[in-house]
Amino acid sequence: QKEVEQNSGPLSVPEGAIASLNCTYSDRVSQSFFWYRQYSGKSPELIMSIYSNGDKEDGRFTAQLNKASQYVSLLIRDSQPSDSATYLCAVYSNFGNEKLTFGTGTRLTIIP
Amino acid sequence: GAGVSQSPSNKVTEKGKDVELRCDPISGHTALYWYRQSLGQGLEFLIYFQGNSAPDKSGLPSDRFSAERTGGSVSTLTIQRTQQEDSAVYLCASSAGYEQYFGPGTRLTVT
Repeated sequence: QKEVEQNSGPLSVPEGAIASLNCTYSDRVSQSFFWYRQYSGKSPELIMSIYSNGDKEDGRFTAQLNKASQYVSLLIRDSQPSDSATYLCAVYSNFGNEKLTFGTGTRLTIIP
Repeated sequence: GAGVSQSPSNKVTEKGKDVELRCDPISGHTALYWYRQSLGQGLEFLIYFQGNSAPDKSGLPSDRFSAERTGGSVSTLTIQRTQQEDSAVYLCASSAGYEQYFGPGTRLTVT
């Protein structure tokens, strides 16, 4: 089982709709969770971090964390063509392995 | 403020040659990471520096790969006797806590 799993996609969403990106992780002691956006040919850009259960909103982005289910998601409201990118989920464990573990990413395409 | 910078942005080298890739982290960030990303693939962790502690080298794929971090700031990743499978984008990231910020990467092509 991979440590951080994401559906590779591609996920196609009409412009203006809500895009929902999901991520599950295997290390129960993980404490910090991140979403990165990576445009083709560019490096990953941090767009959201979440540390406690529940929702965290930042503009059109909402991160949701459920530690009991070991699940973290990213919702993008009012999707725009500029949101088309690969979204990487990353998980950090404070115990022993002090580095981020990345999922392989979900490729999102917003259809105008 | 200035972000993470990397140089060169592109490097083409012949098989068997040595290459050095440089990373300048964000000022004040104590942690520095190197990753590798092959075409269409995920991020592969290579090495991690935290302050003055011994680096975590657990991700280095072979003894041809090494890295240094001088003065707790600039880092150099060295690949000796490059092979074609070393072709990838090499990404550096730095952090002051849990959030990592990436540089633009160095695209390495081994011919």
